[in-house]
Amino acid sequence: EVQLVGSGGGLVQPGGSLRLSCAASGFTFSNHDFHWVRQAPGKGLEWVSDISDSGDDTDYAQSVKGRFTISRDNSKNTLYLQMNSLRAEDTAVYYCALSLGEPRMDYWGQGTLVTVSS
Amino acid sequence: EIVMTQSPATLSVSPGERATLSCRASQSVSGNLAWYQQKPGQAPRLLIYGASTRATGIPARLSGSGSGTEFTLTISSLQSEDFAIYYCQQYNDWPLTFGGGTTVEIK
Repeated sequence: EVQLVGSGGGLVQPGGSLRLSCAASGFTFSNHDFHWVRQAPGKGLEWVSDISDSGDDTDYAQSVKGRFTISRDNSKNTLYLQMNSLRAEDTAVYYCALSLGEPRMDYWGQGTLVTVSS
Repeated sequence: EIVMTQSPATLSVSPGERATLSCRASQSVSGNLAWYQQKPGQAPRLLIYGASTRATGIPARLSGSGSGTEFTLTISSLQSEDFAIYYCQQYNDWPLTFGGGTTVEIK
């Protein structure tokens, strides 16, 4: 059974940093691409970033480019999102998601809440 | 950036009735379109990919159609578990983009 368990969210001040993790199990982690998608309170879904199976290729939404870094550790079956220079508008539930083939989100983690506030 | 527009924003339907949700892309995305369902407090779930292929475990009463810029998600006979928010997403080009969602509520 595919399982994606996100963690690392919390309350952080504007300008601060946070690292999200997503622990995966139930499939061969190193064979698949991953995404981070966020959802601000009461709002829709926004794609944030993705990473290839090897970790060599990454993409970012313009809103986070230069501030967020996606990475993965295939030996630990874990996906990461390093978030720096956080802003109030980054407040959202962050979901990790698995792609089985094309860049869609086949399976989703439960989400972790990031709140940026002073 | 490809803009995805969903309509209507809210759809009020009685159980057992048919629901038709629309998604329009600002430029062609070919057949690279997915639909997701989200219930309150839950993560989204993949329903349809490739515009018309049901994901694993998705019942046949849900179907997708369309290509290019116009797409439709149809629920043939609404069940209680179908009342939720539905999002379309294009994966033809980066940045990947979602529509604003359609809420299907009980009439």
